[in-house]
Amino acid sequence: NAGVTQTPKFQVLKTGQSMTLQCAQDMNHEYMSWYRQDPGMGLRLIHYSVGAGITDQGEVPNGYNVSRSTTEDFPLRLLSAAPSQTSVYFCASRRRGDSNQPQHFGDGTRLSIL
Amino acid sequence: AQKVTQAQTEISVVEKEDVTLDCVYETRDTTYYLFWYKQPPSGELVFLIRRNSFDEQNEISGRYSWNFQKSTSSFNFTITASQVVDSAVYFCALSEENDAGNKLTFGGGTRVLVKP
Repeated sequence: NAGVTQTPKFQVLKTGQSMTLQCAQDMNHEYMSWYRQDPGMGLRLIHYSVGAGITDQGEVPNGYNVSRSTTEDFPLRLLSAAPSQTSVYFCASRRRGDSNQPQHFGDGTRLSIL
Repeated sequence: AQKVTQAQTEISVVEKEDVTLDCVYETRDTTYYLFWYKQPPSGELVFLIRRNSFDEQNEISGRYSWNFQKSTSSFNFTITASQVVDSAVYFCALSEENDAGNKLTFGGGTRVLVKP
């Protein structure tokens, strides 16, 4: 049981480059989310999805795009990377219908923008 | 809007000492959920506990215990007889019922360093 898988684990980009962070889960969870973690600020929600074809913005969505074409995958796209997007990114998933269940997190992607 | 505050940014203790991590939250919902996560140096997030707003029972799990007090909007976490392996960053988080639990609001985290 792989759970939530994020790729790549590490990435270095130059300012202005674009890239996609991949997230896949094999638990048939309806809810998926992307968070970024910056020092001293905890994790902040970027975008989330409550099911295939449905996405919505979180607290810090600017500079990021998402799509949800399948239940399993929820990629996060950086359109034009900026140094302010240097962070650790976590993908999470949860089953619908049981609000007190914890979210399952991937191991994170550490992204550096030069 | 919901908010979680972890006022302690870093705590340093010697092994076998007890350590208590504070968490204060704000929410307008009457139904909400509180969580604690551990982030060891390896970086992954490890779920420790969840608590529903209507369940104020304290909980003990081994060396870990949690004190939930709605009257003070606090959900504190105590590690008894700390060990070096407890060194990590600990996050308190909140989700509201109207978000269907999909949005977690995290505190800034408390780094715990346990010295041998």
